[in-house]
Amino acid sequence: DAGVTQSPTHLIKTRGQHVTLRCSPISGHKSVSWYQQVLGQGPQFIFQYYEKEERGRGNFPDRFSARQFPNYSSELNVNALLLGDSALYLCASKSLSSYNEQFFGPGTRLTVL
Amino acid sequence: GESVGLHLPTLSVQEGDNSIINCAYSNSASDYFIWYKQESGKGPQFIIDIRSNMDKRQGQRVTVLLNKTVKHLSLQIAATQPGDSAVYFCAERGAGSQGNLIFGKGTKLSVKP
Repeated sequence: DAGVTQSPTHLIKTRGQHVTLRCSPISGHKSVSWYQQVLGQGPQFIFQYYEKEERGRGNFPDRFSARQFPNYSSELNVNALLLGDSALYLCASKSLSSYNEQFFGPGTRLTVL
Repeated sequence: GESVGLHLPTLSVQEGDNSIINCAYSNSASDYFIWYKQESGKGPQFIIDIRSNMDKRQGQRVTVLLNKTVKHLSLQIAATQPGDSAVYFCAERGAGSQGNLIFGKGTKLSVKP
């Protein structure tokens, strides 16, 4: 079975631009969460979605938004990029029947210049 | 506030020795904890989890211990191998949340051959 997939793997943007990151969960998983991992730190929670609705939001500005599609894939959008948005963006999926075991994708490395 | 931290940022062990990675958490209401392994350039990989109603849980070569009295979590790796070299994160489920995990900064484990 395929794991969580994310695209693109790497991305370079300039300040002020916007970016869209994509995630496909493990087949059968209806919950998708997004995390930001700055170099040298642990992942920080951004959003959780399941059944196409936002179920949780971390302490991130409104420039960050996300959505989930009927096939449970998800997009993370970041507007007006700042240098500090440079990070590894991780997507994780879980089965609603599991306690909380989340499976992470390989991430998208975003560099803002 | 909620936080998960680690006592040691780096740990170096000899191949074949046992490794112990420690983690402190601050939210006594957290009821679920996970250890992840992250290799360079990859997303976090689930190792083992434990619920707060347990003190110990064993997996293949790994054991997680939970001491709720002092809010301490540890990961023990038996017969450490070079392939165990990675950054290890503990994470807790945020109180009252359905999906977001709170990660610590991580411990880098280096295994010397």
